[in-house]
Amino acid sequence: EIVLTQSPGTLSLSPGERATLSCWASQRVSSRSLAWYQQRPGQAPRLLIYGASSRATGIPDRFSGSGSGTDFTLTIGSLEPEDFAVYYCQQYANSQYTFGQGTKLEIK
Amino acid sequence: EVQLVESGGGLVQPGGSLRLSCDVSGFTFRNYWMSWVRQAPGKGLEWVANINKDGSESYYVDSVKGRFITSRDNANKSLYLQMSSLSADDTAVYYCARDLRKEALTPSNGNHYYYYFMDVWGKGTTVTVSS
Repeated sequence: EIVLTQSPGTLSLSPGERATLSCWASQRVSSRSLAWYQQRPGQAPRLLIYGASSRATGIPDRFSGSGSGTDFTLTIGSLEPEDFAVYYCQQYANSQYTFGQGTKLEIK
Repeated sequence: EVQLVESGGGLVQPGGSLRLSCDVSGFTFRNYWMSWVRQAPGKGLEWVANINKDGSESYYVDSVKGRFITSRDNANKSLYLQMSSLSADDTAVYYCARDLRKEALTPSNGNHYYYYFMDVWGKGTTVTVSS
């Protein structure tokens, strides 16, 4: 099983600042199988990024993804109030999905 | 509008069984894989199971193998999760999600490859296992 580790666990920033969230895999992950999701309190997860760097439909361009191999990054260019939420990375391999434990992005 | 609506959650005793449903609308259900994902109270997301387009293949996380079975009824656009031998560890919100395998071509040689992700989610149904 591929384990995804996200860092930091909690990130405290102010609106307008840039956020950088990391996702590390225990073994190499295909970029095509790496996705990022946002979950606001009381809501279902929402797809942000697939294929490590492709934005999903309707996702603002302040969200971007990058990385390959075992190291992946989600960047939010300039934080809006609605961006404060929990973010999860996810990978698919060997007919199994796994999620990272999440990064909580909170208002400083 | 694409919509997934889960139902069937509730309070069940340890060792008991429960069947969750996910009713789909707004897209051609039979053309998509589907997944179940759960979230224990205050915890992160855990993929539980998925099923292919015609229901002939399904896969499970190790912690539910032998206890949970996912199935589907393409005619009625419904996905199911039959859960048995439930324990407190199964207490969670259960989401169904469209499990997309997005096909693409490598420009240089025309080889097919796929992206894997979940692009549509239901609002979830809560399962509580407690005596």
